[in-house]
Amino acid sequence: GAVVSQHPSRVICKSGTSVKIECRSLDFQATTMFWYRQFPKQSLMLMATSNEGSKATYEQGVEKDKFLINHASLTLSTLTVTSAHPEDSSFYICSARPPGQDAGGYTFGSGTRLTVV
Amino acid sequence: GQNIDQPTEMTATEGAIVQINCTYQTSGFNGLFWYQQHAGEAPTFLSYNVLDGLEEKGRFSSFLSRSKGYSYLLLKELQMKDSASYLCAAMDSNYQLIWGAGTKLIIKP
Repeated sequence: GAVVSQHPSRVICKSGTSVKIECRSLDFQATTMFWYRQFPKQSLMLMATSNEGSKATYEQGVEKDKFLINHASLTLSTLTVTSAHPEDSSFYICSARPPGQDAGGYTFGSGTRLTVV
Repeated sequence: GQNIDQPTEMTATEGAIVQINCTYQTSGFNGLFWYQQHAGEAPTFLSYNVLDGLEEKGRFSSFLSRSKGYSYLLLKELQMKDSASYLCAAMDSNYQLIWGAGTKLIIKP
């Protein structure tokens, strides 16, 4: 089946530094990828939708300059958390839907646990 | 506004049956999803319903009533590995997923 590979799975960084998270669609081309954040015991919160070759669409309340999204190719989307602070510590997950699938075909990456100290 | 409601937590016994309910209110509707999420892991797809009725997949079944804005996930022959959170998500007219907070299912021996 369709696979979305997400790296790193865990990262610990110092406050003020930047962290890049990568999501790759391994066996399909993803024109659109979705980036979610999930705090403990809460549901997924959509942060932004990345579109290959164009600007990402951010949800209300998500800072564009803090969460930089790049979708430069049909198989790779990246999320960079800039100047990270402890409140950015969360579980970040990407998702994509292989073309030709019905709407049930959303595939998630394995997630990235970010801890900012 | 758009809203998804599902119970926060449920407890069931190994080998038994459990039904997890979900009600939704969305701007337009393009289907309802159920995902399973184990602690610290990403969600995995369980089911998708867009038409009224029951869809059965092995031990798991999902039901949808569009007129009532209601769905349920039915898990049969519960196993300990079924202990997880179950997320309900409805897709609105813009094909955006609206997520519920998840139902934590605890399976007891």
